[in-house]
Amino acid sequence: AQSVTQLDSQVPVFEEAPVELRCNYSSSVSVYLFWYVQYPNQGLQLLLKYLSGSTLVKGINGFEAEFNKSQTSFHLRKPSVHISDTAEYFCAVSDLRGSARQLTFGSGTQLTVLP
Amino acid sequence: DTEVTQTPKHLVMGMTNKKSLKCEQHMGHRAMYWYKQKAKKPPELMFVYSYEKLSINESVPSRFSPECPNSSLLNLHLHALQPEDSALYLCASSQETVVITEAFFGQGTRLTVV
Repeated sequence: AQSVTQLDSQVPVFEEAPVELRCNYSSSVSVYLFWYVQYPNQGLQLLLKYLSGSTLVKGINGFEAEFNKSQTSFHLRKPSVHISDTAEYFCAVSDLRGSARQLTFGSGTQLTVLP
Repeated sequence: DTEVTQTPKHLVMGMTNKKSLKCEQHMGHRAMYWYKQKAKKPPELMFVYSYEKLSINESVPSRFSPECPNSSLLNLHLHALQPEDSALYLCASSQETVVITEAFFGQGTRLTVV
């Protein structure tokens, strides 16, 4: 089964600074990767996804991620964060189980943007 | 409409109660999912329905009983729950069943068992 590892459980950063949230995936022939954001007491919202093609993926709210096959990484970046970006971020992989694919999540990274 | 709607948003129930969580989507998605999320943890898969048939049950206790009455609705029936079952229950849907290219999540039901 495929899996993802989020290397940082908490990332504090000052407002307007750049940020990188790290995610590594287990090696596979084909892999579909996702980043989701979860604000307090809310569901999950898709930020961006990598299915194939260009390794630089742009998402909503100014986020982007780069798929790196040689390093089996899919790190999330934003050049300048806002207070409103404070949330939990989950990296996820599409994993084949039985007859249906499912999403398997990393342990999450709490991003806290400080004024 | 790209919404997955879950009701109720909050639920408090006793250990002897019977209650149901509901999930609805009108995107024509053929796969629907129940996830359980404890505080400060990632979502954990409970059940997957594919074309209205249960395709994955992640060894969930029988006090949780899923039901998919039609392609738009997904229910989770709860009976004789334990306090440790208190969590955020998330419903999701995706168009494909063979490969997920995007999954949409509801806002969740915050369940407290007393």
